[in-house]
Amino acid sequence: ETGVTQTPRHLVMGMTNKKSLKCEQHLGHNAMYWYKQSAKKPLELMFVYSLEERVENNSVPSRFSPECPNSSHLFLHLHTLQPEDSALYLCASSQMVTSLEGSYNEQFFGPGTRLTVL
Amino acid sequence: QKEVEQNSGPLSVPEGAIASLNCTYSDRGSQSFFWYRQYSGKSPELIMFIYSNGDKEDGRFTAQLNKASQYVSLLIRDSQPSDSATYLCAVTRGGYQKVTFGIGTKLQVIP
Repeated sequence: ETGVTQTPRHLVMGMTNKKSLKCEQHLGHNAMYWYKQSAKKPLELMFVYSLEERVENNSVPSRFSPECPNSSHLFLHLHTLQPEDSALYLCASSQMVTSLEGSYNEQFFGPGTRLTVL
Repeated sequence: QKEVEQNSGPLSVPEGAIASLNCTYSDRGSQSFFWYRQYSGKSPELIMFIYSNGDKEDGRFTAQLNKASQYVSLLIRDSQPSDSATYLCAVTRGGYQKVTFGIGTKLQVIP
């Protein structure tokens, strides 16, 4: 496996179900992210983990619960979701890059999990 | 006011023409600016990064930054049908701070 992988690729769940999304990065990066992408809306940052510590929690409802057990794995635990939570959930990882132009944080995205909440 | 504004398009250009994609941002503290390309059904991939005012060229792509006007653009020369995708503008204050994305501009290159 290379890059950033996500499982499952598609998930259909009822509002009372509990499920988890998994992300794994094989790039040796030290930061991982969860994003939500809905139709006709910008990518929304949900959570950021740097060195396995949560550094950003973008006012996400508590029905979404992230877990980062180590620098290569990231989970998003889901429970009692709403139909409006149906979206593409993207995981990304990054490492700071220093170039002549300056330092920047290049993110590599996984293929995403298409979530449908019935 | 949206934090990062882009025209959602679609922007249609003929093959071989120059495609010009524009983006404005509201946070004057923004330090790093990115252009991502997202093909339909795929995840975003980084194609350009710009940090300083002026132009930055990479092959057929040129990113332009004007911090005073809070404006970032992406020019694609000799557009190809394979360039047809949604182009996302993203900005950040730097480090691991929040990266804010625009809604993306859908580009269609007509053969």
